[in-house]
Amino acid sequence: AQSVTQLDSHVSVSEGTPVLLRCNYSSSYSPSLFWYVQHPNKGLQLLLKYTSAATLVKGINGFEAEFKKSETSFHLTKPSAHMSDAAEYFCVVSYPGYSTLTFGKGTMLLVSP
Amino acid sequence: DTAVSQTPKYLVTQMGNDKSIKCEQNLGHDTMYWYKQDSKKFLKIMFSYNNKELIINETVPNRFSPKSPDKAHLNLHINSLELGDSAVYFCASSARGADTQYFGPGTRLTVL
Repeated sequence: AQSVTQLDSHVSVSEGTPVLLRCNYSSSYSPSLFWYVQHPNKGLQLLLKYTSAATLVKGINGFEAEFKKSETSFHLTKPSAHMSDAAEYFCVVSYPGYSTLTFGKGTMLLVSP
Repeated sequence: DTAVSQTPKYLVTQMGNDKSIKCEQNLGHDTMYWYKQDSKKFLKIMFSYNNKELIINETVPNRFSPKSPDKAHLNLHINSLELGDSAVYFCASSARGADTQYFGPGTRLTVL
């Protein structure tokens, strides 16, 4: 069965400091991995997607994620947090042959001035 | 220009009522989905339709019945609403054979 674990339910950073949101996945097959962001009372927006073309994936708004097969990880990073980055972030996995996405439980990113 | 739209955005109703949520996508996608997000923000698939045919039904009570009049629409009907049905419901769509899904803005259902 596919699964994804987000290691932190909340992450707090100061504006201008780096962001690290951690995600690990189960590794039965070669997965597709995604990060989605949900701003308060908004829908889900795709940040970036990994599909084996390159291990370092660049997304929107300055975010990027690195696929590390040896660690079964897909952590999301950003060099410098902005107040507008405050939101819930979901790590998501999809496996070949499965048409559905499996969501992690989410990480709330809090950004202080 | 909205890719995936849902109506209504908010829905407040009494226990025992029947309600519907509508979803439309203008992306030309063949596959549409319904997800439920609970109070702890956890998202779980409920249904998936491919070109108007049901392909996934994830142990959802029979009170929930999706209906797809055409491949651009997937509506969710809920009968005999219960307190536990209170949640945010998201519609999504994807192209044939693609795993990237595009989500609607969500419908917050509150059952009193």
